[in-house]
Amino acid sequence: AQKITQTQPGMFVQEKEAVTLDCTYDTSDPSYGLFWYKQPSSGEMIFLIYQGSYDQQNATEGRYSLNFQKARKSANLVISASQLGDSAMYFCAMSTHGSGNTGKLIFGQGTTLQVKP
Amino acid sequence: KAGVTQTPRYLIKTRGQQVTLSCSPISGHRSVSWYQQTPGQGLQFLFEYFSETQRNKGNFPGRFSGRQFSNSRSEMNVSTLELGDSALYLCASSERTSGETQYFGPGTRLLVL
Repeated sequence: AQKITQTQPGMFVQEKEAVTLDCTYDTSDPSYGLFWYKQPSSGEMIFLIYQGSYDQQNATEGRYSLNFQKARKSANLVISASQLGDSAMYFCAMSTHGSGNTGKLIFGQGTTLQVKP
Repeated sequence: KAGVTQTPRYLIKTRGQQVTLSCSPISGHRSVSWYQQTPGQGLQFLFEYFSETQRNKGNFPGRFSGRQFSNSRSEMNVSTLELGDSALYLCASSERTSGETQYFGPGTRLLVL
């Protein structure tokens, strides 16, 4: 079964500190992609970062980095130097490349992050 | 490039009615996927269209349908609305269909009374 698990329903972080949001995944497909999206209260899903299953290096995009541990099937998001505008719901998602899975993202339940001033 | 647009942004319907939601993808993107987001079930995949063909479908009843036009714009239709159809409906576009990053629109909030 293909599944994404986010075990932290809610988290707090102090402004300017770093925070790690956990994500574990399950798939038997050897080729897959892992994504993180941010969803503010407005509802729009904003793409943050992508990691492919064959990528050797951890992905980074500005203040976002993805700690990819393939053997542990984890893909944690690290946000450095948190800002008040980072307060939102964060979703980990997976796409697999097997037949019958085209165009489909599987999402976790999300983690609500609140940044304190 | 302009982002993904969805219309309408908000909609109120009554049980039994039908509704059509529209999605215009990023220019050049040929794949459009639709998702339903509810507090109880989270984000669930509805279907994906590529070059006017439905390539994949999630586990939703036949009341949920969609189509894609030659300009890649997509519509989804829900017939015989039920209270449980109240949700945020998100569409996403990508350049191709498999494994590409999906870029989402702002969503349509549907309330069924």
